[in-house]
Amino acid sequence: EAGVAQSPRYKIIEKRQSVAFWCNPISGHATLYWYQQILGQGPKLLIQFQNNGVVDDSQLPKDRFSAERLKGVDSTLKIQPAKLEDSAVYLCASSLMGSTGELFFGEGSRLTVL
Amino acid sequence: AQRVTQPEKLLSVFKGAPVELKCNYSYSGSPELFWYVQYSRQRLQLLLRHISRESIKGFTADLNKGETSFHLKKPFAQEEDSAMYYCAQSGRRALTFGSGTRLQVQP
Repeated sequence: EAGVAQSPRYKIIEKRQSVAFWCNPISGHATLYWYQQILGQGPKLLIQFQNNGVVDDSQLPKDRFSAERLKGVDSTLKIQPAKLEDSAVYLCASSLMGSTGELFFGEGSRLTVL
Repeated sequence: AQRVTQPEKLLSVFKGAPVELKCNYSYSGSPELFWYVQYSRQRLQLLLRHISRESIKGFTADLNKGETSFHLKKPFAQEEDSAMYYCAQSGRRALTFGSGTRLQVQP
């Protein structure tokens, strides 16, 4: 079974530029998550989708971050404009059963903002 | 707010020694607790969850509601156990993770 796919794996941009990350979850997984992991910290939830609807985006900095999950499958996370403090690994995860089920993580997209 | 605390950033032990990775949670309801592990150059993956009450790779974790703890234990550490370990809880929202503990098992 194919795992969660993410791209790009690495991205370097200058502050005030924009960037987009893509995630393809495991087939059949209704729930998709984006987490931000800053160096030395644990993953922090940015947004949770159930199919193509948003369940929780309370910790998403909506002035610069946006995410969508069209058709309830793939998802895109965008940052515009980026700040230095956005440097982190962006992890996508999916699950069958929502937050009580096992989360399957992608390899992550490492963003460096200069 | 949900909070998970892992007080140790690094735990270094010798092969064969017992291991205990500490985790305390803050959710006052009936949380579900998990341990996730990330081996070098691999994805973050589930190690065990308190509901299943099983031992995975020799690791066990007991939920202590009185102390709001979910410590991870293994009686005899192996070199292949070296990894980052994250405690996580779910309650009203998706998983909340602790800051992680790096376990180094020396030969």
